Amino acid sequence: DSGVTQTPKHLITATGQRVTLRCSPRSGDLSVYWYQQSLDQGLQFLIQYYNGEERAKGNILERFSAQQFPDLHSELNLSSLELGDSALYFCASSPGPDEKLFFGSGTQLSVL
Amino acid sequence: DQQVKQNSPSLSVQEGRISILNCDYTNSMFDYFLWYKKYPAEGPTFLISISSIKDKNEDGRFTVFLNKSAKHLSLHIVPSQPGDSAVYFCAATLGSSNTGKLIFGQGTTLQVKP
Repeated sequence: DSGVTQTPKHLITATGQRVTLRCSPRSGDLSVYWYQQSLDQGLQFLIQYYNGEERAKGNILERFSAQQFPDLHSELNLSSLELGDSALYFCASSPGPDEKLFFGSGTQLSVL
Repeated sequence: DQQVKQNSPSLSVQEGRISILNCDYTNSMFDYFLWYKKYPAEGPTFLISISSIKDKNEDGRFTVFLNKSAKHLSLHIVPSQPGDSAVYFCAATLGSSNTGKLIFGQGTTLQVKP
């Protein structure tokens, strides 16, 4: 158990819908990261937050957004969902912005 | 544009033998490399890393070798154990100061047979 909690574990929705994925980092970790793993791609970095502020951005679509709240939990919002958004979404946390990552067990999103 | 490539989707070895997992990269600016292990229904867990100023790093049964001129790294597991059966991801980043923004390979599934 990495200490990073992701909810829900599984999510099934339809195209065009909007969903929110939630992540609670390890106790004391200030940095949160989101990664996407789809069948035809490896793990792809989406975005990083550190202590509530966006720190780095990867290949995150404009339909996706994220935020980190004062209690340090983070949410990833995915809107206007497409079939190709079906993937495993991982959250990771680290104590600081440049330290070793601890991954959650992921949220499996299925868009039908 | 796959900057980190693991060309072998799977590898099967006998318990007690050596497992060698390979990884190639294209971006010469990468200077910090990591290996993660992933079991089913779990997130990736950090295994071992290496800075580009080194060519070898060892941690118990796990050794990572880096060949910068060939843009190639490999993970050696000796001796392999059935509990090592998992998906192994190679990852790269631009310096240890940016270890969050990792570029991952596609992964190699290792099966260690008893």
